Amino acid sequence: EVQLLESGGGLVQPGGSLRLSCAASGFTFSTYAMSWVRQAPGKGLEWVSSISGAGGNTYYADSVKGRFTISRDNSKNTLCLQMNSLRAEDTAQYYCAKERADRILGRWSGWGQGTLVTVSS
Amino acid sequence: QSALTQPRSVSGSPGQSVTISCTGTSSDVGGYNYVSWYQQHPGKAPKLMIYDVTERPSGVPDRFSGSKSGNTASLTISGLQAEDEADYYCCSYAGSYDVIFGGGTKLTVL
Repeated sequence: EVQLLESGGGLVQPGGSLRLSCAASGFTFSTYAMSWVRQAPGKGLEWVSSISGAGGNTYYADSVKGRFTISRDNSKNTLCLQMNSLRAEDTAQYYCAKERADRILGRWSGWGQGTLVTVSS
Repeated sequence: QSALTQPRSVSGSPGQSVTISCTGTSSDVGGYNYVSWYQQHPGKAPKLMIYDVTERPSGVPDRFSGSKSGNTASLTISGLQAEDEADYYCCSYAGSYDVIFGGGTKLTVL
């Protein structure tokens, strides 16, 4: 059974940094692309970033490009999102999500329960 | 890329069928057969219901079906059940490793 467990969320001031982690189990982690998807309070879903199975290719939404960095450690089955220069509009529940294959097509068959990031002074 | 367009809400009675539309452009929905649909209950993570326009993951009831015509994709839920009440989001690959969502549709089972 696919299990994804996010951690690292919390309250941070505008301009600050935060690092999210996602511990994966129940599947061969390195053979699947992984993503972060967020949802602002009371709002819809927004794709944030994706990374290929081997970690060599990374992709970002325009809204976070240059501020966020996605990475993965396949030896530890862990996905990370380093978030810098945080803004109030980054406040959201952040979900770790597993693609159906090592292709980034928005077909996420596994999701964590999310971790809440609040950017406020 | 702008978000895909979905109706804010739809409703139906138990046993009836409802269809949720998702309108994009030739650069996303119309350009690729990579449209997915997600169901989200309050306070829960999204769940994949349909992928590649028409495909159902294992475990998803066959009451859920997907289709596409031009730049508009649709999710149809037949034989509505109370547990189907949730928010539904469409999602499309938009080329150049970009993925966009619709704004979401709230389904109410009357």
